[in-house]
Amino acid sequence: KAGVTQTPRYLIKTRGQQVTLSCSPISGHRSVSWYQQTPGQGLQFLFEYFSETQRNKGNFPGRFSGRQFSNSRSEMNVSTLELGDSALYLCASSLRTSGVTGELFFGEGSRLTVL
Amino acid sequence: QQPVQSPQAVILREGEDAVINCSSSKALYSVHWYRQKHGEAPVFLMILLKGGEQKGHEKISASFNEKKQQSSLYLTASQLSYSGTYFCGTPSMAGWTGNQFYFGTGTSLTVIP
Repeated sequence: KAGVTQTPRYLIKTRGQQVTLSCSPISGHRSVSWYQQTPGQGLQFLFEYFSETQRNKGNFPGRFSGRQFSNSRSEMNVSTLELGDSALYLCASSLRTSGVTGELFFGEGSRLTVL
Repeated sequence: QQPVQSPQAVILREGEDAVINCSSSKALYSVHWYRQKHGEAPVFLMILLKGGEQKGHEKISASFNEKKQQSSLYLTASQLSYSGTYFCGTPSMAGWTGNQFYFGTGTSLTVIP
């Protein structure tokens, strides 16, 4: 069974540019969530999508957005990049609809460097 | 609402034991533990659903004290393969209808021969 796949794995952008990251969840998983991981802040929740609808959103500016397609694949977009956006962006899928009881399956992440 | 983990880092020799603590200022509905090896995806270890519940995974076990809003991860007779960063995660209120988690900042565990 294929795991969560994220592309690209590494990318370098300059300030002001925008970036789109892609995530393919495990087959059958309809919940896809995104996390930003930095050394100082750890894993911070960005947003979660379920059946093409955003269910929850973390405390990030509007420059961070996402969407989910009918095949459950998800993309996140960051516009007007800032140096502080440099991070590892992790995608996680889940079979369960409730985080209380469900486990997350993470991808290896997309490492974004903003210069 | 981010859980606090302690210690931040620990170095062990093979065969030694370690305890990683996770505490929250908010009520915990459940506690999840993950391990992330360098350059790899975080991997689910276990979930604790009820206060006082203890779960085990090989020589790694955990407890959940709902009253104290704390969880502890126990690693006994550590092996080199246990090295990595351990995260505790707790679902937010929204976790009942979604997968929104607050994760601790992680504990780096290094096992040396």
